[in-house]
Amino acid sequence: EAQVTQNPRYLITVTGKKLTVTCSQNMNHEYMSWYRQDPGLGLRQIYYSMNVEVTDKGDVPEGYKVSRKEKRNFPLILESPSPNQTSLYFCASRLAGPYNEQFFGPGTRLTVL
Amino acid sequence: DAKTTQPNSMESNEEEPVHLPCNHSTISGTDYIHWYRQLPSQGPEYVIHGLTSNVNNRMASLAIAEDRKSSTLILHRATLRDAAVYYCILSGVKTSYDKVIFGPGTSLSVIP
Repeated sequence: EAQVTQNPRYLITVTGKKLTVTCSQNMNHEYMSWYRQDPGLGLRQIYYSMNVEVTDKGDVPEGYKVSRKEKRNFPLILESPSPNQTSLYFCASRLAGPYNEQFFGPGTRLTVL
Repeated sequence: DAKTTQPNSMESNEEEPVHLPCNHSTISGTDYIHWYRQLPSQGPEYVIHGLTSNVNNRMASLAIAEDRKSSTLILHRATLRDAAVYYCILSGVKTSYDKVIFGPGTSLSVIP
């Protein structure tokens, strides 16, 4: 089944403890992206990647890192999480080209205490 | 960066058509107009997209204004399963990057 998977789905952590949220897609998509969703703000793009080893900042990249060493994986790294990064995170992927639809993962709910 | 504006919420009666508007007055010539929807407790899902011409698919229709500064998503017969947040976004390529900007979306309620 074609899908985008994220792990973990739920995570509660404490301020400053490094964490990684994994994202994997099995559709051979070039483009992958991370979003965060907060009440009243919709989805805001954190980082995106046009292909392996090519990443760029979205609208809210502060406090996050990403890497794209393999085409299928696009992990989101929080080196030192803070409470304002408590949010619902979505990973998405699509084929290259802005006319292609994005496929979203099920989301990761992160709470930073 | 081109942004979109949508009404915060709309209501529709079941089995009636719904017209969801979106304004994107700063759209560029290479921006595609996409619509996604997000059902409760799920990730967004693709609905439809277009560039200049009106588009139809099994889920909905997309009507694009001639100047491309606005568009309307049309659900021909709303069902209870259509109750969701609908996002109108622009997706384009400028030089070497490909940003996507979502707004808060329109929360659609469907009344039985």
